[in-house]
Amino acid sequence: QLQLQESGPGLVQPSETLSLTCSVSGDSISSDSYYWGWIRQPPGKGLEWIGSVFHTGYTYYTPSLKTRVSISVDTSKNQFYLKLSSMTATDTALYYCARLVGYAREAHPDYWGQGTLVTVSS
Amino acid sequence: QSVLTQPPSVSGAPGQRVTISCTGGNSNVGAGYDVHWYQRLPGTAPKLLIYANTNRPSGVPDRFSGSRSGTSASLAISGLQAEDEADYYCQSYDASLSGIVFGGGTELTVL
Repeated sequence: QLQLQESGPGLVQPSETLSLTCSVSGDSISSDSYYWGWIRQPPGKGLEWIGSVFHTGYTYYTPSLKTRVSISVDTSKNQFYLKLSSMTATDTALYYCARLVGYAREAHPDYWGQGTLVTVSS
Repeated sequence: QSVLTQPPSVSGAPGQRVTISCTGGNSNVGAGYDVHWYQRLPGTAPKLLIYANTNRPSGVPDRFSGSRSGTSASLAISGLQAEDEADYYCQSYDASLSGIVFGGGTELTVL
């Protein structure tokens, strides 16, 4: 059974870079059938797609975060990663990793991790 | 504000039928992009409930159904059960924003 597990710091200082890892089990991240992505939900707000990556390393990012975000993949570890720089309080959110099915930017999540809460505060 | 608009909350008694609307625009639902629905039970990961407007993944009861028309979509839940109490989210693709977008979520309460 597919499982995705986010890991990373729960607290980040303002202006620092957030680094999160998503560990995938039950499926190969090298599959040509899926993309892998990150989605977040600030407290009291809706879900926001951050970006997606294919196993080749090709990435798609939401335009509003494009200058600050980097998503990468390590097929040998069956993991993918999120880096978000210049963190501010508005980046405080529950961060989910997900498997996405479909094509490129239109691919939609079909499996999600449990999510990890990231708070930006000094 | 979310690109797709959902009612913040809906409620119904056990056994009843409820519907949750999802209203978009001409760059997403109205442009023909598929709508997908997710259920998030308290403290759990979101689960894909309906994909491509009307399709249920394996294991999802046929009490759940989806539809799409024009710039809107709907999720219907019939034979409401206590275990259906959860947050529900719609999702589509938006060509203007060049990415997938979500509704703000609807909290379902089973009375």
